[in-house]
Amino acid sequence: GAVVSQHPSRVICKSGTSVKIECRSLDFQATTMFWYRQFPKQSLMLMATSNEGSKATYEQGVEKDKFLINHASLTLSTLTVTSAHPEDSSFYICSASHLAGDTDTQYFGPGTRLTVL
Amino acid sequence: QKEVEQNSGPLSVPEGAIASLNCTYSDRGSQSFFWYRQYSGKSPELIMSIYSNGDKEDGRFTAQLNKASQYVSLLIRDSQPSDSATYLCAVIGSGGGKLIFGQGTELSVKP
Repeated sequence: GAVVSQHPSRVICKSGTSVKIECRSLDFQATTMFWYRQFPKQSLMLMATSNEGSKATYEQGVEKDKFLINHASLTLSTLTVTSAHPEDSSFYICSASHLAGDTDTQYFGPGTRLTVL
Repeated sequence: QKEVEQNSGPLSVPEGAIASLNCTYSDRGSQSFFWYRQYSGKSPELIMSIYSNGDKEDGRFTAQLNKASQYVSLLIRDSQPSDSATYLCAVIGSGGGKLIFGQGTELSVKP
């Protein structure tokens, strides 16, 4: 099956610093990648849709200047949490869209657990 | 009305039984339907995808789709304690692109 990796898997940082999370599709090209955030005991929340070579589309209420997304190639998208604060502590998960014929399936990365002190 | 609805559970079944998970969706133009499994603290894992009416079987899992009723279900036969997780129903709506998730059903399989 299609494999998506994320790096790092876990990060602890001080308040005010920036953190970059990488999402890679390992065995397929992904024109579209998605970034989600999940707080404990809550549902996945879509933050933004990332298309290769163009600006990301952010969901309502998600600050685009705080959560910078870059999709520089068909296998790599990055999410940078700028000036992180404790309330940004969460589980960040990416997914990549795998097109096969006329079907479009999203495969998820293993997630990055961010803790901001 | 939520776009994708699931019973939140928890659904508890004994080991070896059939677990039945249900999902309804509001966008009649939806074409792609998925079931993901999410263990606590982990990311979602694709279990099944289904695109046309009827049943689709993969091992112990069977997905059922009824577009007229806007209903999709997942049956897990011979349930095992390792199946205990939250099961997420997801739909790609008529607008395409992003997944619309239900709130998830927590399944507990008791030994």
